[in-house]
Amino acid sequence: GAVVSQHPSWVICKSGTSVKIECRSLDFQATTMFWYRQFPKQSLMLMATSNEGSKATYEQGVEKDKFLINHASLTLSTLTVTSAHPEDSSFYICSARDLGAYPDEQYFGPGTRLTVT
Amino acid sequence: AQSVTQLDSQVPVFEEAPVELRCNYSSSVSVYLFWYVQYPNQGLQLLLKYLSGSTLVKGINGFEAEFNKSQTSFHLRKPSVHISDTAEYFCAVSDYTGGGNKLTFGTGTQLKVEL
Repeated sequence: GAVVSQHPSWVICKSGTSVKIECRSLDFQATTMFWYRQFPKQSLMLMATSNEGSKATYEQGVEKDKFLINHASLTLSTLTVTSAHPEDSSFYICSARDLGAYPDEQYFGPGTRLTVT
Repeated sequence: AQSVTQLDSQVPVFEEAPVELRCNYSSSVSVYLFWYVQYPNQGLQLLLKYLSGSTLVKGINGFEAEFNKSQTSFHLRKPSVHISDTAEYFCAVSDYTGGGNKLTFGTGTQLKVEL
């Protein structure tokens, strides 16, 4: 089956620093990847849609200068949290859309737990 | 615009008992419907999906769901739960627009299976 990986799975950083999270589709090509944020005991909130070779589309209320998304290849998208603050602490999950699958088949990564101190 | 309502935030149930997790959706267009399961500190795993055809959909781990268009519901059921089914369950919807459709998630239902 289709596999999506995320790296790192867990990261702690100091306030004011930047953190990069990678999302990879391991056995399929993904022109579209999605980034979600999940607060404890809450649902997933879509942050942005990442398209290979073009700028990401951000959801309303998400600061594009703070959450930088790059989708440079068909198997890799990155999310960089710039100048992180404690309120950015959250569980970040990516998903990737399989080109060869029926529409709307998204495969989710295992998530990255970010803690900003 | 679409929305998903999961009416129960928590559902406690004894092992081997049946369970139903409720999901209602709202959309002005036809939709695809999904149920995902999330174990602690993990990503989401697809349980089942409804795209078209038979309204009764069978998924993994013995789960099934029934699409009811008139009631705009997509309730998840399992006839006999196991301790290992304890997890968070999310209902999600996407519409028929092409090119990387976005999923809209419900707020989740915590299923707690007790001995």
